[in-house]
Amino acid sequence: GAVVSQHPSRVICKSGTSVKIECRSLDFQATTMFWYRQFPKQSLMLMATSNEGSKATYEQGVEKDKFLINHASLTLSTLTVTSAHPEDSSFYICSARGPSGGTGELFFGEGSRLTVL
Amino acid sequence: SQQGEEDPQALSIQEGENATMNCSYKTSINNLQWYRQNSGRGLVHLILIRSNEREKHSGRLRVTLDTSKKSSSLLITASRAADTASYFCATDLTGANSKLTFGKGITLSVRP
Repeated sequence: GAVVSQHPSRVICKSGTSVKIECRSLDFQATTMFWYRQFPKQSLMLMATSNEGSKATYEQGVEKDKFLINHASLTLSTLTVTSAHPEDSSFYICSARGPSGGTGELFFGEGSRLTVL
Repeated sequence: SQQGEEDPQALSIQEGENATMNCSYKTSINNLQWYRQNSGRGLVHLILIRSNEREKHSGRLRVTLDTSKKSSSLLITASRAADTASYFCATDLTGANSKLTFGKGITLSVRP
């Protein structure tokens, strides 16, 4: 099956610094990737849809200048949390549609746990 | 509000028993999917059922869909301790490249 790799799995940073999280589709090309945020024992909240070669589409209430998304190639999307603060601490998960695209299952990365001190 | 709402929120059963989890949604869907998440990990796709399907099987999993009631159920038969995880239903509302909307999830604990 399709594999999505996410890195780093855990990151601890100081308040005010920026953190970049990478999401790669290892054995297929993903024109669209999705970034989610998950708080403990809660559901996944879609933050943005990342489209290769164009600007990301952000969900209502998500600050695009705070959460920078770049999808420069068909296998890589990055999420940069800029000027991170403790309230940004969360579990961030990326996903991609499979090789057939369209409607269908999503393949998820293993997630990145961000802790901002 | 969430498109998909699962119930119960938490379920604890004995190994070997069946686990039934329900999901309700509000608007029309193209398909409904169930995912599993182990603690601190990403999600794994379990099964997808299209709006024109009523029941689907995959190994020990059985999913039903009732579009008139806007509800779905996931049945895990002969549960194992390794089935302990959180389970989410997700609804696909539109066509290609549409986003999935996830429910709050059900925490299943299977006691050995």
